[in-house]
Amino acid sequence: DQQVKQNSPSLSVQEGRISILNCDYTNSMFDYFLWYKKYPAEGPTFLISISSIKDKNEDGRFTVFLNKSAKHLSLHIVPSQPGDSAVYFCAASRRGGADGLTFGKGTHLIIQP
Amino acid sequence: DTGVSQNPRHKITKRGQNVTFRCDPISEHNRLYWYRQTLGQGPEFLTYFQNEAQLEKSRLLSDRFSAERPKGSFSTLEIQRTEQGDSAMYLCASSRGGFTGELFFGEGSRLTVL
Repeated sequence: DQQVKQNSPSLSVQEGRISILNCDYTNSMFDYFLWYKKYPAEGPTFLISISSIKDKNEDGRFTVFLNKSAKHLSLHIVPSQPGDSAVYFCAASRRGGADGLTFGKGTHLIIQP
Repeated sequence: DTGVSQNPRHKITKRGQNVTFRCDPISEHNRLYWYRQTLGQGPEFLTYFQNEAQLEKSRLLSDRFSAERPKGSFSTLEIQRTEQGDSAMYLCASSRGGFTGELFFGEGSRLTVL
């Protein structure tokens, strides 16, 4: 049973436009949410996170929104750049991360020139 | 900061053989994690160390798998009597104490079991 779901395996966006990646979760015990970015042949790298006590966190071109009632979070990238082309993983944790992170299957973002 | 180092990067073995992977975390990080990733899936948590103590183990970690972090620095993940289903990318990550969620991942060790 997948507790973190990314229902779009891939997403294609034109350079300069907004990219919106979505993630749903089922476990109400999750209290911390993160986005990781992965290029081929590299390990995932941390991008941005949000605590369950907040509904928005912004870092430069990246903003994460959390809707706890809907158990939904999204990552907005504005404006999208060619270097943003990668696989993006949504992840969640509980109990201060003692159980590790639970990852979604990832969304492959393709930025078209 | 030299990053998280994993070796070997790729291991090909025959079914039934034992394999061992090594992870060297970022030096000041006292938390170390092992994950497994298969094609089309996100990383799956295997186990977690706080210094030398193994504090959590996933049910994915069968009795053929063992992980150690003897001096609280590097860690090894051993798989005994490998099976074809063990073929995957094994990722190591480290972090500072006081969980912020930011794990620093290595490039992974890819296991192929023939």
